Amino acid sequence: DAGVTQSPTHLIKTRGQQVTLRCSPKSGHDTVSWYQQALGQGPQFIFQYYEEEERQRGNFPDRFSGHQFPNYSSELNVNALLLGDSALYLCASSVEGYGYTFGSGTRLTVV
Amino acid sequence: SQKIEQNSEALNIQEGKTATLTCNYTNYSPAYLQWYRQDPGRGPVFLLLIRENEKEKRKERLKVTFDTTLKQSLFHITASQPADSATYLCALDRQSGGKLIFGQGTELSVKP
Repeated sequence: DAGVTQSPTHLIKTRGQQVTLRCSPKSGHDTVSWYQQALGQGPQFIFQYYEEEERQRGNFPDRFSGHQFPNYSSELNVNALLLGDSALYLCASSVEGYGYTFGSGTRLTVV
Repeated sequence: SQKIEQNSEALNIQEGKTATLTCNYTNYSPAYLQWYRQDPGRGPVFLLLIRENEKEKRKERLKVTFDTTLKQSLFHITASQPADSATYLCALDRQSGGKLIFGQGTELSVKP
């Protein structure tokens, strides 16, 4: 049973560019959350999608947007990239009463 | 504002000993507290979840306690092994499957 799958694994972008990251949740999970993890820090919540709607949002600017598709997969879009957006972006899926299943992440480097 | 603090220093212990990691929080009333393990370059892996009305939970060599009065959780690994070396993250949640607030993690190193 495949867990959470994220693509790409690594990405290098230039300041001002836009990026799209993709996530396929674990089979049977319908809720997808995105987190940003800077080096040496814990993950920070960006937003959560359920039934194709954004259900919760963390303290991130509108440059960060997302989408969930009918098959529960999800995308994270970041516009007007800044150097400070360089981080590991994690996707997690869940079912109620249990912990999250995280993907291995996408390492984004902005130069 | 909400704050979660884990052991700031890395924890170095000898194989076979019990590792104890601490998670303290302020300005928050979590319904759930979770512990994750993270290896370098990988995503966190779920270990244990404990609810606010539970005092203790065990899974194999792992034990978690949750004291909502002290606003603290302790995570124990008994009979530690070098393979237990990783960063351990504490995370709080007000609702199951909701937004997780993570601590900064504690790096554990188990020496043979």
